[in-house]
Amino acid sequence: DTAVSQTPKYLVTQMGNDKSIKCEQNLGHDTMYWYKQDSKKFLKIMFSYNNKELIINETVPNRFSPKSPDKAHLNLHINSLELGDSAVYFCASSQDWAYEQYFGPGTRLTVT
Amino acid sequence: GQNIDQPTEMTATEGAIVQINCTYQTSGFNGLFWYQQHAGEAPTFLSYNVLDGLEEKGRFSSFLSRSKGYSYLLLKELQMKDSASYLCAVAFSGGYNKLIFGAGTRLAVHP
Repeated sequence: DTAVSQTPKYLVTQMGNDKSIKCEQNLGHDTMYWYKQDSKKFLKIMFSYNNKELIINETVPNRFSPKSPDKAHLNLHINSLELGDSAVYFCASSQDWAYEQYFGPGTRLTVT
Repeated sequence: GQNIDQPTEMTATEGAIVQINCTYQTSGFNGLFWYQQHAGEAPTFLSYNVLDGLEEKGRFSSFLSRSKGYSYLLLKELQMKDSASYLCAVAFSGGYNKLIFGAGTRLAVHP
């Protein structure tokens, strides 16, 4: 009964491909997030949804498109993958912004 | 900008006390979080400060001074399992609040 789950855990793909990462939370939280953690370990917010509504959209290439079919799910689709997209992508959820965020296990994306 | 600064690395001895500092730009401040991240794992929540003062939670305490743009995480009775990265994250207001994370402090605990 994992609180925040992501699939897949590892993703190795070639440049130019399109891939998706899925995230689900069973905590009943209203807010979900996507973060990118690069090789230098910086954790950067990419997107945030509150009750299926996009509320934070950082300066991210439009090759990245989040989708929230319901408030328990937040998926990330990436088109035309580039070498620089290689990183660990974390999904997280929280009751609201002022509350602690619960992170998923991460998806390690490697683009070759 | 919304720079958050914390030391890159620290080392300490098992059983000792270590203090990890974090400084940030005060404009738009709306709360500060500390997270722990073991290598290859997800960050996990440690503490949240929004008012000045010390919050204690077992072996871990976190302090905040809003006027100085300063926080620290204090770890007492260090254990080997405390070897991890400690991430300082600040919530900045601006419509919807978002967390800006520091680069993290990698703590190595030695016997």
